[in-house]
Amino acid sequence: EVQLVESGGGLVQPGGSLRLSCAASGFTFSSYWMSWVRQAPGKGLEWVANIKQDGSEKYYVDSVKGRFTISRDNAKNSLYLQMNSLRAEDTAVYYCARSGVGDYGIFDYWGQGTLVTVSS
Amino acid sequence: DIQMTQSPSSLSASVGDRVTITCQASQDISNYLNWYQQKPGKAPKLLIYDASNLETGVPSRFSGSGSGTDFTFTISSLQPEDIATYYCQQYDNLQLTFGGGTKVEIK
Repeated sequence: EVQLVESGGGLVQPGGSLRLSCAASGFTFSSYWMSWVRQAPGKGLEWVANIKQDGSEKYYVDSVKGRFTISRDNAKNSLYLQMNSLRAEDTAVYYCARSGVGDYGIFDYWGQGTLVTVSS
Repeated sequence: DIQMTQSPSSLSASVGDRVTITCQASQDISNYLNWYQQKPGKAPKLLIYDASNLETGVPSRFSGSGSGTDFTFTISSLQPEDIATYYCQQYDNLQLTFGGGTKVEIK
């Protein structure tokens, strides 16, 4: 059974940092693109970043470029999102999502999400 | 970036009704279009990929069509368990974008 379990969310002050983790199991993690998708309270879905199977390619939504870094550790079956210079508008539930083997843009499995709140 | 315009933003229909949601892309995205269902407090679930392919295990009352810039998602006979918000999402390029969502309620 495919499982994605996010952790690391919480309350952080504006300008602060947070590192999210996603533990994957039930599939060959190193064979799949992986993504982070977020959802602000009461709002729609927004793709944040994705990373290729070997970590050689990474892409970001414009609003987080230069502040967020996506990474992965295939030996630990884990995905990460380092978030720096956090802003109030980054407040959201952050989901880890698996993409296809060849299709980076189809999110076929999702975690339960972790809430990040940026507030003073 | 490619903008995805989804309509309506909400709808109310009776059990058994046919429900249709549309999604328009700001430029040609071929068939690189997916549909997701999100129930309150839950993660999204993939229903349709590549515009018209039903994900394994998804009931056949759900369907999708379209290509280029105009896409349609249909529930052929609305069921009480279909109450949710539905999102389209494009992946024509590596800047992925979602539509604004359609909240489906029972009349």
